[in-house]
Amino acid sequence: ILNVEQSPQSLHVQEGDSTNFTCSFPSSNFYALHWYRWETAKSPEALFVMTLNGDEKKKGRISATLNTKEGYSYLYIKGSQPEDSATYLCASPGKAGTALIFGKGTTLSVSS
Amino acid sequence: DVKVTQSSRYLVKRTGEKVFLECVQDMDHENMFWYRQDPGLGLRLIYFSYDVKMKEKGDIPEGYSVSREKKERFSLILESASTNQTSMYLCASSSWAGANVLTFGAGSRLTVL
Repeated sequence: ILNVEQSPQSLHVQEGDSTNFTCSFPSSNFYALHWYRWETAKSPEALFVMTLNGDEKKKGRISATLNTKEGYSYLYIKGSQPEDSATYLCASPGKAGTALIFGKGTTLSVSS
Repeated sequence: DVKVTQSSRYLVKRTGEKVFLECVQDMDHENMFWYRQDPGLGLRLIYFSYDVKMKEKGDIPEGYSVSREKKERFSLILESASTNQTSMYLCASSSWAGANVLTFGAGSRLTVL
């Protein structure tokens, strides 16, 4: 079973703080790395899909990087806002063309 | 703009009952998935399907079965519900052409008494 790990488990920051969290995955047989945001009472929504070593993706104040050789991805949020409060999930397929296996998520709480 | 619809948001069943959770997607996606979400355990894969009448076990298939008779519909069946199946169940779909990005339903919260 593919093991996808995320840290920290939870994080509490003040509005305006920048923050980042980590997703680690096996570096062998890598195919893709997905990031999703899951807000309370909503469905998880895709943020990024990354496939190439060194990939960097950006959506507004949120960005992500990928290092497939060492098996990690970072998600960065610049200038956190209360609406960024959510659980952030990363996931990777066990092998090409198979279902995504998710990490346990990082729950971010942003206070105003 | 509804894309993945789960038939019930909340269900309460008794131990031993047969439970059907239905999921329908309107995006003509090839792939459909059932996950369950539990506090501290994250999203865990139960079953998935790449095509009509095809199914594959995920990480925790015990106590569940699935049915995919039509491309747009993927059902999760609990043959004899047990209390440890109390959970939030999420259905999702994806397309090979869309980099397999998952579109999730709203979830079905099942309580087994």
